[in-house]
Amino acid sequence: GQQVMQIPQYQHVQEGEDFTTYCNSSTTLSNIQWYKQRPGGHPVFLIQLVKSGEVKKQKRLTFQFGEAKKNSSLHITATQTTDVGTYFCAGAGSYQLTFGKGTKLSVIP
Amino acid sequence: SQTIHQWPATLVQPVGSPLSLECTVEGTSNPNLYWYRQAAGRGLQLLFYSVGIGQISSEVPQNLSASRPQDRQFILSSKKLLLSDSGFYLCAWKAGLSGNTIYFGEGSWLTVV
Repeated sequence: GQQVMQIPQYQHVQEGEDFTTYCNSSTTLSNIQWYKQRPGGHPVFLIQLVKSGEVKKQKRLTFQFGEAKKNSSLHITATQTTDVGTYFCAGAGSYQLTFGKGTKLSVIP
Repeated sequence: SQTIHQWPATLVQPVGSPLSLECTVEGTSNPNLYWYRQAAGRGLQLLFYSVGIGQISSEVPQNLSASRPQDRQFILSSKKLLLSDSGFYLCAWKAGLSGNTIYFGEGSWLTVV
């Protein structure tokens, strides 16, 4: 079945530093989605990427979808304490999404 | 707009006791419904999904079961809880085959003691 690998598992950064998490799928994806889960909360949808090579930005967050539609990345510029949480990527199948294990981001003020 | 409700928010249950978590979705029809479990500090494990009333697909064999008695109601059950069932349970929905995005409920924290 489809597998989605996400690295790193944990990332500790100083406030103001950049952060990147990477996602790789064993199969070509029709689309990929990113979610953020704050500590103690539930995952919340951030964005969906559909096209090969697509790049989308949300303020300090930049999302990329690889040319082969098998990998993706989320980059945060100049992290803030409000960025703390776990970021999940998810690859779309027919009925469900296959989630990566997530990257837990800690920001040191 | 669509909303998803999940309850109870937290519960502490003894080993061997039954479990019932309930989830309802409003503002949409024929949704795909999902139950996920998240162990402390871990990723999201898909337990069950349903594409329609009475249709349940199990992803991980275990002592849990799911039922969908109505279009927008999804129930997670167990007859006898194990310590390893502790975790954060999330109900979620997706707009059928035409939708891609999954929307999560606020989750239920289960501690089995």
